[in-house]
Amino acid sequence: NAGVMQNPRHLVRRRGQEARLRCSPMKGHSHVYWYRQLPEEGLKFMVYLQKENIIDESGMPKERFSAEFPKEGPSILRIQQVVRGDSAAYFCASSGTGGLSYEQYFGPGTRLTVT
Amino acid sequence: SQQGEEDPQALSIQEGENATMNCSYKTSINNLQWYRQNSGRGLVHLILIRSNEREKHSGRLRVTLDTSKKSSSLLITASRAADTASYFCAGQGGSEKLVFGKGTKLTVNP
Repeated sequence: NAGVMQNPRHLVRRRGQEARLRCSPMKGHSHVYWYRQLPEEGLKFMVYLQKENIIDESGMPKERFSAEFPKEGPSILRIQQVVRGDSAAYFCASSGTGGLSYEQYFGPGTRLTVT
Repeated sequence: SQQGEEDPQALSIQEGENATMNCSYKTSINNLQWYRQNSGRGLVHLILIRSNEREKHSGRLRVTLDTSKKSSSLLITASRAADTASYFCAGQGGSEKLVFGKGTKLTVNP
């Protein structure tokens, strides 16, 4: 019973390039959440998606960041024209049901380094 | 605004001792959750306590919640070296997103 999978685990990009981070939720889960963690900080919510729908993107920067969760395939977090400040660990979580008081299961994260 | 704020920021104890971490939050919550993160790894869910609950146990973990003081505590009894990790509280309010604090870094010395 595989958990949440993220790839790549480590990603190095030069300034100005694009970064694509993938998240496959746990089997049977249709709710995906993306969080960002800066060094020595807690996680900050970015976006909450269900299949083909963005439910809450209140934590997403207004420019360069986008997320999708298509009907088939993994959820993608896309960062265009990366800058050094985008260097962080990006975590994806999934749950089987939306709403409150349901556990979110986290993936191992993608560590993005922008050089 | 930050929902959870843990203290202390760092805690170092000997194996066998108890570890207590506290969390304060600012706005009303539906539930509060505690997570553990080993260095460089993802988060592991430890325990969830609902706003109408005051105390919850899971193995060596005990969590309390005081909604009047907007605070929670996590107690790990009889700590082990393997408990060394960062511990985060996260509040869930009117939406599904979790709002995390900055965490407590726990070191358990053998």
